[in-house]
Amino acid sequence: TQLLEQSPQFLSIQEGENLTVYCNSSSVFSSLQWYRQEPGEGPVLLVTVVTGGEVKKLKRLTFQFGDARKDSSLHITAAQPGDTGLYLCAGEGRRGGTSYGKLTFGQGTILTVHP
Amino acid sequence: DVKVTQSSRYLVKRTGEKVFLECVQDMDHENMFWYRQDPGLGLRLIYFSYDVKMKEKGDIPEGYSVSREKKERFSLILESASTNQTSMYLCASSLFGRAYSGNTIYFGEGSWLTVV
Repeated sequence: TQLLEQSPQFLSIQEGENLTVYCNSSSVFSSLQWYRQEPGEGPVLLVTVVTGGEVKKLKRLTFQFGDARKDSSLHITAAQPGDTGLYLCAGEGRRGGTSYGKLTFGQGTILTVHP
Repeated sequence: DVKVTQSSRYLVKRTGEKVFLECVQDMDHENMFWYRQDPGLGLRLIYFSYDVKMKEKGDIPEGYSVSREKKERFSLILESASTNQTSMYLCASSLFGRAYSGNTIYFGEGSWLTVV
């Protein structure tokens, strides 16, 4: 079973601060996704990164896929209270592997941005 | 608008009861999934199905079974509920294929199950 270690588990910051969430594994993934989940709802996809070294930006959110496709990071610039929520990374298994077509999720990061 | 609907949002069941969690999607997706979500553990895959009547075990299938008789419906069954199955259960669906091919996975709102 592939594992994804997500850190930190909890993050409490003031509005305007920057933050980074990390997702690490010893396994190689064919793609990695980041989700945001609000209380009482299911996760919603933010981005998918596919190529090693890839960087994607979504307004104040920057996502990076490691060169070896084993790790990823989410960086939020000038966090706002509306960014508060649970952030989840998920890696997709490689073709030919037992995890092909399935997602392995990290433990999640609960982000609280105080006004 | 895409929709994955889980019929029961909140359930309380007794130990030993048989529990059915129903999920319906209206997007004609081939893939459907059942996850459970527990604090500090993220989402763990219980079962998934890539076609009608087809199913594969996920990472934690013990104590669960599934049924997919129609393309749009995927049911999770707890044959004999136990207290350690108290959790939030999430259903999801996607087009056949891999995430990197642009197929987004859509989640339902979740079903909170408490087993007493």
